[in-house]
Amino acid sequence: LAKTTQPISMDSYEGQEVNITCSHNNIATNDYITWYQQFPSQGPRFIIQGYKTKVTNEVASLFIPADRKSSTLSLPRVSLSDTAVYYCLVGDARGPIKAAGNKLTFGGGTRVLVKP
Amino acid sequence: DSGVTQTPKHLITATGQRVTLRCSPRSGDLSVYWYQQSLDQGLQFLIQYYNGEERAKGNILERFSAQQFPDLHSELNLSSLELGDSALYFCASSGSGTDNEKLFFGSGTQLSVL
Repeated sequence: LAKTTQPISMDSYEGQEVNITCSHNNIATNDYITWYQQFPSQGPRFIIQGYKTKVTNEVASLFIPADRKSSTLSLPRVSLSDTAVYYCLVGDARGPIKAAGNKLTFGGGTRVLVKP
Repeated sequence: DSGVTQTPKHLITATGQRVTLRCSPRSGDLSVYWYQQSLDQGLQFLIQYYNGEERAKGNILERFSAQQFPDLHSELNLSSLELGDSALYFCASSGSGTDNEKLFFGSGTQLSVL
């Protein structure tokens, strides 16, 4: 199971771009990289997922280099409402149905504070 | 709305008691995960079920147990409760169509042990 390492916290200002890098040196061939956002007292919410290169959706971009040992979540033009904890999670795409199960273990996350 | 329903939202009980937390997964999802999140702590994986079968175990105490029923809802049973069991307990589901490895979380059950 690939372990992930993220910065503990980051501060930013409204309108700026926030980039959070996650290290996952022992990522396996079948592993996908998924990012989640969590607000206080709420369950984490899926943001974006990728396997390699770049993925973009309406809220974020995910950059994954060729060696896949790290990934960077990019939040463009953040607002105060983007203040949250962001988790990087690495897990087998076949995870939920594997006989051995899927210990999807979250790391400590990155606490992002957006200031006015 | 993630489509995952957890009940109750809040639970207050005393040490030594037993409680049951309930989770209904998203329609079509066969896999259910339970997580514990203590104050200012990360999400601790407890256990995973797939289509009624236990598949993976994390740091789940022996005082805790879970099961997934034929209708795919799941229950987490916590017994001989201690003060340190006070936490937010989340259920997540996955395994539907192309969303196999994406987790969809419920809003959690806040457990307070007094």
